[in-house]
Amino acid sequence: GENVEQHPSTLSVQEGDSAVIKCTYSDSASNYFPWYKQELGKRPQLIIDIRSNVGEKKDQRIAVTLNKTAKHFSLHITETQPEDSAVYFCAASRNDYKLSFGAGTTVTVRA
Amino acid sequence: DVKVTQSSRYLVKRTGEKVFLECVQDMDHENMFWYRQDPGLGLRLIYFSYDVKMKEKGDIPEGYSVSREKKERFSLILESASTNQTSMYLCASGSLGREDEQYFGPGTRLTVT
Repeated sequence: GENVEQHPSTLSVQEGDSAVIKCTYSDSASNYFPWYKQELGKRPQLIIDIRSNVGEKKDQRIAVTLNKTAKHFSLHITETQPEDSAVYFCAASRNDYKLSFGAGTTVTVRA
Repeated sequence: DVKVTQSSRYLVKRTGEKVFLECVQDMDHENMFWYRQDPGLGLRLIYFSYDVKMKEKGDIPEGYSVSREKKERFSLILESASTNQTSMYLCASGSLGREDEQYFGPGTRLTVT
C-alpha cells in the first residue's frame, strides 16, 4: 500500500515569513495529492490539491509543487499570518479515492 | 454546504463494551470513510464504503467493523472496546467522479477505560 512521509513534524515561523512542508510517497501510481488543514478543535478541510499532470499550483498565498520522478510534493505558504497556525496533512491517492495521509505538521506562526 | 455529522463529540466506554459510532452526510455522497486520528500518526483509514452495503478494509481494520444500510449513514462498530482504541474518530464523505475532496465530520473523542 501507499506510504506517505511528511516533514517536519513541527514548524515555527515568524509572521510574514514563508513555511514549507515536504511529503514523499511510495506508490508511483498515485496521481492525486491533496493538502488538508486542521485548526485546533476543528475538522480537517481541503486547502489545495494537485494532480500528477501538473507540476505546480497556486492559490493566493499557498502553492503546491509536485516532482513525480522523485515522488515528492511540497506545500508552500508565503507571508504567513496567525490564522495559518494549524496542523497540515498531506495525502496521496490512486484512482480508488482512498487517501493515505502523512503524519501531519503542526505550524505555529509567531506574532 | 456539505454537512457531515457524528452522533457524539465525546464518549467514555468501559473495556469490553460494544460501541457504535454513527456518521450521517446530507450530500448524497457515494463514498464514506472512517479514520482514527492519533498524535504523530496522522489520519489512518479504518474502513471505507463506496456504496450501500459495500465496504472495504482500510489500513487498520482490526478490532472494528462497519455497517452501511443507507447511503447517508455509515456506522463504525467496536465489538469489544479496548484501551488501545482510545482515540479521535473522524468520519468523512466524498463523491465518486464529481470531486475529490473528502468532507470531514467534527470527530468523536472516544475514551475506553
